Parts: sequence; structure tokens; C-alpha cells
Amino acid sequence: DGGITQSPKYLFRKEGQNVTLSCEQNLNHDAMYWYRQDPGQGLRLIYYSQIVNDFQKGDIAEGYSVSREKKESFPLTVTSAQKNPTAFYLCASSVRYNQPQHFGDGTRLSIL
Amino acid sequence: AQSVTQLGSHVSVSEGALVLLRCNYSSSVPPYLFWYVQYPNQGLQLLLKYTTGATLVKGINGFEAEFKKSETSFHLTKPSAHMSDAAEYFCAVSDSSNTGKLIFGQGTTLQVKP
Repeated sequence: DGGITQSPKYLFRKEGQNVTLSCEQNLNHDAMYWYRQDPGQGLRLIYYSQIVNDFQKGDIAEGYSVSREKKESFPLTVTSAQKNPTAFYLCASSVRYNQPQHFGDGTRLSIL
Repeated sequence: AQSVTQLGSHVSVSEGALVLLRCNYSSSVPPYLFWYVQYPNQGLQLLLKYTTGATLVKGINGFEAEFKKSETSFHLTKPSAHMSDAAEYFCAVSDSSNTGKLIFGQGTTLQVKP
């Protein structure tokens, strides 16, 4: 079945450490997105990519980095510069703009 | 700029009662509107979408929503709540910049009492 796979489901970060969250889709979608979800704040856009080898900052990009070397993959790195990384991270994709986004099951990141 | 307001962060209904979750939006262009549902520790699942055409949109699991341009609203309803409807619901509007970005509301948690 086609879908979006996020891994790992749970991740723990030590102080000063960078961690990378994986997002893979086999839906042949051009656009991919990363969101951060905190209780009571809805979803906030971190980065998005409309095409391979291109991506743009969202509303809260500071402390995060991404790459889009392959159409099906859009990994997110949470760097040590992100001082409050504890959150639920969601990856999504869509065939093109104004079409519904399909979501993965998320990665929950916590600080050790 | 687009924005979405969901009235009521928590809504509680009895099983079998009407479900009404409110969503108002602001948009400078004709909007594309979406409702998503999220169960604990899972991603978001699309319930329904409005793009163009009929203003009453039917979705999955018996939900529907009506686009009212004059009221800038897109409220979600279901005639009879089921225990399995307990979840968090998000309303979203597409960004007018044609990037595919969605602007999400804060979410409404639906509690269904037996």
C-alpha cells in the first residue's frame, strides 16, 4: 500500500546532539512537508519542498535543517541550536498545491 | 494572510447526539478548505475537503461540512456521535501562494460520553 513512513516512532536527544528524523513516501508526490505539533498549538510548518533539490523555510525553521535529494525522501535534522525540541513531528506529502496532504504517523522527540 | 480559527478547544457530546465543530477562516482568495482527524499518537487523516463546486461536502465516517462564503465558515457536523469519533479535529485552509502550504487551526478535541 502507498503511504508515508516516518521513523523512528520515538527518539531521544542528548544535550548538544543533532538527530535526524526519517520520512519516506511511495505515493509519487512532488511536495513534502515537515510540521511540529505542540499541545494546544496546532501544527506549525518547519520546512517544505515542492521538488527535488529544492526546499523552503516554513514558519519555525530555526534550529532545523532538511535535504531533498530524492523525490521519495525528506529527512529532517533537529540541530543542537533548537533549544526546545521536545515535540511531535509530522511529515506530509501532496501531489501538488491545493491538494490534500497525506500524513505519516509521526515521531515523538524527547530530551534525555 | 490566511488564518483559521476553531471555536472551542474542547467539545463534549453524548453518544448519539449531534456533533458540531466550528471553523472560521480568513482568505484573500477563494479558499481550499480541509478537515482532518487525529487519533492519539497518530498522524492526521483527511475527513473531507472543499475546493470548488457544491458547498455541502460529504466526508468519511458520516461527517460533512458546509462552506458558507458569506460567513467565512466551514463547520463540521455529524448527525449522531459514536464513541469512536473521540479524537482531535483540525480545520485547515490552503495558502494563497500556490505552494501547497496549509494553515491549520488550533484543533478541537471531541469527547464522546456514553
